[in-house]
Amino acid sequence: AQTVTQSQPEMSVQEAETVTLSCTYDTSESDYYLFWYKQPPSRQMILVIRQEAYKQQNATENRFSVNFQKAAKSFSLKISDSQLGDAAMYFCAYRSDPSGTYKYIFGTGTRLKVLA
Amino acid sequence: DSGVTQTPKHLITATGQRVTLRCSPRSGDLSVYWYQQSLDQGLQFLIQYYNGEERAKGNILERFSAQQFPDLHSELNLSSLELGDSALYFCASSEGQGVSYEQYFGPGTRLTVT
Repeated sequence: AQTVTQSQPEMSVQEAETVTLSCTYDTSESDYYLFWYKQPPSRQMILVIRQEAYKQQNATENRFSVNFQKAAKSFSLKISDSQLGDAAMYFCAYRSDPSGTYKYIFGTGTRLKVLA
Repeated sequence: DSGVTQTPKHLITATGQRVTLRCSPRSGDLSVYWYQQSLDQGLQFLIQYYNGEERAKGNILERFSAQQFPDLHSELNLSSLELGDSALYFCASSEGQGVSYEQYFGPGTRLTVT
C-alpha cells in the first residue's frame, strides 16, 4: 500500500530565510501526482504546488519549489524568502489511479513557524 | 474563497446521534470528495462522487454514507456517532474525475461529539 511520510513534525525558519520540508513516499506505481498543501490557522486547505511523476523538471511556483527525486521517492518543498504568512501546517499528498482505483493519501503534516 | 461551500461550519452533537453535512461544489465541477481530518492529523480520504455516481471509496466507516444529488451538491451522513468521530470534515470538488484534476477545498465543517 502507498504511504506518505513527513518526518518533521515541526520546523522553524527566520523571516527572509529558506527552509526545506521533507516528504518521502512509498509506491510501486510509475504514474502518480504529488502535491504540497498549506493549511493556515483558518484551516482552509490551499494548494501550494503539484508535480506530475512523469515530468523530470521540478515544479516551481514563485517562492515555492520542489526537489522531486523519483528513484529515491522523495518530494521536498523549498520555501525561499520566508514570510510571516507562510506559517502554517504543510501537508504532502499523493494521488494515483492504477486501473481505475483512485488513491488519495496525505502525510501527517509539518508545522512551519516563521520567526520575525 | 475556493467557491466550494460547506454547511454547517460547526456542529456539536451527542454520542449515538446522526448528522448530515452538506457540500456545494464549485460551479461546473462534477466531482465531489469528502475527507476527514482528526485533530492535528493529515486528511483521510473518505469517498468520491462523480456526476451522481460513487467513483472511489477510501477509509469510510459503515456508519458513514454519502450521496451526490442531481444538482451536484453532496451530503455526508454520519450515524451512531462516537467521540472519535470528532473531526474537521472537508469537502472538495474538481472538474473531472481523474487524479490529475485540481481539487478545490471548502472551509470544512467542524464536528464535535460529546
